[in-house]
Amino acid sequence: QKEVEQNSGPLSVPEGAIASLNCTYSDRGSQSFFWYRQYSGKSPELIMSIYSNGDKEDGRFTAQLNKASQYVSLLIRDSQPSDSATYLCAAPSGAGSYQLTFGKGTKLSVIP
Amino acid sequence: EADIYQTPRYLVIGTGKKITLECSQTMGHDKMYWYQQDPGMELHLIHYSYGVNSTEKGDLSSESTVSRIRTEHFPLTLESARPSHTSQYLCASSGQLGTYGYTFGSGTRLTVV
Repeated sequence: QKEVEQNSGPLSVPEGAIASLNCTYSDRGSQSFFWYRQYSGKSPELIMSIYSNGDKEDGRFTAQLNKASQYVSLLIRDSQPSDSATYLCAAPSGAGSYQLTFGKGTKLSVIP
Repeated sequence: EADIYQTPRYLVIGTGKKITLECSQTMGHDKMYWYQQDPGMELHLIHYSYGVNSTEKGDLSSESTVSRIRTEHFPLTLESARPSHTSQYLCASSGQLGTYGYTFGSGTRLTVV
């Protein structure tokens, strides 16, 4: 069983700070990685995907991938109270797999 | 505008009743999934389908059943609801996984009393 591990948190940051969310994965063959945001009582929504080593930026969000270390991270700059949610990391369940393996999620609280 | 629809959004039902949770998508995705998630807990895959007439059980044992008669439709049925079935049920679909991942529906929050 392929694994995706996240720090469960909760992670608390003050408004305006950078929130750093981390994820490690076990399958070296994984090619693509996804970050989902889930507000309490709602369904997950895709916020970032990344396939190549390095950084990918989208607005206040930056995804970082290091395949050698099997490590994926999500940085949220200028954190807002509206960013308070659980963030899920996901990776394909194996080479050629149609399924995603999700981490247990990191709960982020942005304190005004 | 949502491309994957779940109904009902909320359901409160008595023990022993038969229920069907509906999931439909308009994206032409061949792969569809059902997840169960308790409040504050992780996602658990209970069923998936890679195409019409193809269904498989997921990692979490579930007393529910699914069918896939049409590409766009993937309903989940509980023959006899019990309080232990109280949970949120999330439907998802995917096409080219490596690029777009899953798209989730808005979920059905089921309460069995």
